[in-house]
Amino acid sequence: GENVEQHPSTLSVQEGDSAVIKCTYSDSASNYFPWYKQELGKGPQLIIDIRSNVGEKKDQRIAVTLNKTAKHFSLHITETQPEDSAVYFCAASRNTGNQFYFGTGTSLTVIP
Amino acid sequence: KAGVTQTPRYLIKTRGQQVTLSCSPISGHRSVSWYQQTPGQGLQFLFEYFSETQRNKGNFPGRFSGRQFSNSRSEMNVSTLELGDSALYLCASSLARLGAVEQFFGPGTRLTVL
Repeated sequence: GENVEQHPSTLSVQEGDSAVIKCTYSDSASNYFPWYKQELGKGPQLIIDIRSNVGEKKDQRIAVTLNKTAKHFSLHITETQPEDSAVYFCAASRNTGNQFYFGTGTSLTVIP
Repeated sequence: KAGVTQTPRYLIKTRGQQVTLSCSPISGHRSVSWYQQTPGQGLQFLFEYFSETQRNKGNFPGRFSGRQFSNSRSEMNVSTLELGDSALYLCASSLARLGAVEQFFGPGTRLTVL
């Protein structure tokens, strides 16, 4: 089955700096890569996603890049704010249903 | 539009008991997936239901089962509870007929097994 690895497990940045979280996947058939943000006491919330036919996608301060050859994708958050503090999960999925394989999560702390 | 709702939010059971968790998807969503979240194992896929049929299944023992009703609401059942079943159980819904698309997660049910 698919194996998704995520690094780092914890990340602290100063407010206004950028944060980068990286994930690798093992199944070359995976073609959908969402990123979720989970705040304390809540379920994960989708913040951005990318499909394998796209190399990069941006939404305001958040961007995701995908390298299919190397089987890795990254989340970039610019101009970080304290409200960005949360746990972030990457995931990978094939086009055969909604079975997502999640990374182990990155706890991001933005220091004011 | 109302989000995914899960009931109950918190549950305490003892070893050997069984438990049923409920999930109501977003209106119009026909796919419901269940995940187990623990500090050690992270988010792990349990199963997915679409139009009352189990479409995908993760690598969990047969003690974990689920079903989906004609109104797309779903339940999952865990029989003969073990201490290791303590976890946050998350339900997610999506529009998808085929293919992976955005899943919307509920707040989860926190199960504690004593």
